Amino acid sequence: KNEVEQSPQNLTAQEGEFITINCSYSVGISALHWLQQHPGGGIVSLFMLSSGKKKHGRLIATINIQEKHSSLHITASHPRDSAVYICAGTQGGSEKLVFGKGTKLTVNP
Amino acid sequence: DAGVIQSPRHEVTEMGQEVTLRCKPISGHNSLFWYRQTMMRGLELLIYFNNNVPIDDSGMPEDRFSAKMPNASFSTLKIQPSEPRDSAVYFCASSFIRRQISGNTIYFGEGSWLTVV
Repeated sequence: KNEVEQSPQNLTAQEGEFITINCSYSVGISALHWLQQHPGGGIVSLFMLSSGKKKHGRLIATINIQEKHSSLHITASHPRDSAVYICAGTQGGSEKLVFGKGTKLTVNP
Repeated sequence: DAGVIQSPRHEVTEMGQEVTLRCKPISGHNSLFWYRQTMMRGLELLIYFNNNVPIDDSGMPEDRFSAKMPNASFSTLKIQPSEPRDSAVYFCASSFIRRQISGNTIYFGEGSWLTVV
């Protein structure tokens, strides 16, 4: 049983749309990471958060500790945002990451 | 900073051959992670080191896999003998772990794409 669940698995949007990717996690996860992976490429850490909200450019990540839920939002989406977005949780007491299965985002022009 | 550097980027090898993947973490980071990514299983942690010491190797599939970190700036992941099911992308990542803080930003290398035929 995966301790981190992401939805949706696939997401297609038109350029300019507001995008939300959701992540739910189980007890024992102490921090949440949002990662981005372009096709054939490496993995980039977008955010790490254990409470509240973080913003970087058009990307916003929020976390609700009580509900064990995090969201990644992309405002004014652009084709270059097309990538796989992965939610990962840090298991409390260690630095092990538990990964969601990823959300493949395609933004069409 | 050059980031986490992995080599080789791509490797194709025959079943039974030894494969060695290399990683140079970001200078100053005290933790290093080896991950494997496949279509079927996604990303999985194989092993991680803190201050060059292996802390958790529970993700290492079997005895054919071994990892070393002889110093703070270098690590290897070795597969001997390799099998077709080892074909995957192997990522190295590093981080500066601060124990009093829950969660720390992790930096990934570009990955080593391994194909065993």
